[in-house]
Amino acid sequence: NAGVTQTPKFRVLKTGQSMTLLCAQDMNHEYMYWYRQDPGMGLRLIHYSVGEGTTAKGEVPDGYNVSRLKKQNFLLGLESAAPSQTSVYFCASRPTGTGYGYTFGSGTRLTVV
Amino acid sequence: GDSVTQMEGPVTLSEEAFLTINCTYTATGYPSLFWYVQYPGEGLQLLLKATKADDKGSNKGFEATYRKETTSFHLEKGSVQVSDSAVYFCALSDRQGGKLIFGQGTELSVKP
Repeated sequence: NAGVTQTPKFRVLKTGQSMTLLCAQDMNHEYMYWYRQDPGMGLRLIHYSVGEGTTAKGEVPDGYNVSRLKKQNFLLGLESAAPSQTSVYFCASRPTGTGYGYTFGSGTRLTVV
Repeated sequence: GDSVTQMEGPVTLSEEAFLTINCTYTATGYPSLFWYVQYPGEGLQLLLKATKADDKGSNKGFEATYRKETTSFHLEKGSVQVSDSAVYFCALSDRQGGKLIFGQGTELSVKP
């Protein structure tokens, strides 16, 4: 049981380049989330999805787009990368209902130069 | 809006010392509360949780009690080990959609 898998694990981009981060879960979870983690700031929610075909903005959505075409996949896109987007990105999922914790992926470390 | 505040780190302890990491929250209604642990280079793992007032979550020797009167969920362990060195995050889950809101994290370093 793989849980939540993120690809790639590391990436270096030049300013202005685009890329897509992939998150895949095999637990049939309805809810999926993208967070970024920066030193001293904890985790901040970028976008989330409450089911296939749905997306919603989180706390820091600017500069990112997402898609949830299939229930098991949640893609995070950067159309024109900026140095401020240098961060570690985590995907997470959880089942429907209250009181459930998230299952996290192992993260993608992105550096924008 | 809802928020979580943790004690600042880093916290440095000797092996077998007692650990307390303070966490307080602000929320409307009755959120669920969580502690997550992040080991170096890894993602976050759920350590324990509590879903209602006076519940005690426990796992791997760690405990935390949901205190509604003080809006707190402090993490404790009676005797820490070097392997407990990690970053610990307190979080709450809002009732409207279940989004997790995290504290800023507390780094724990345990020395032999």
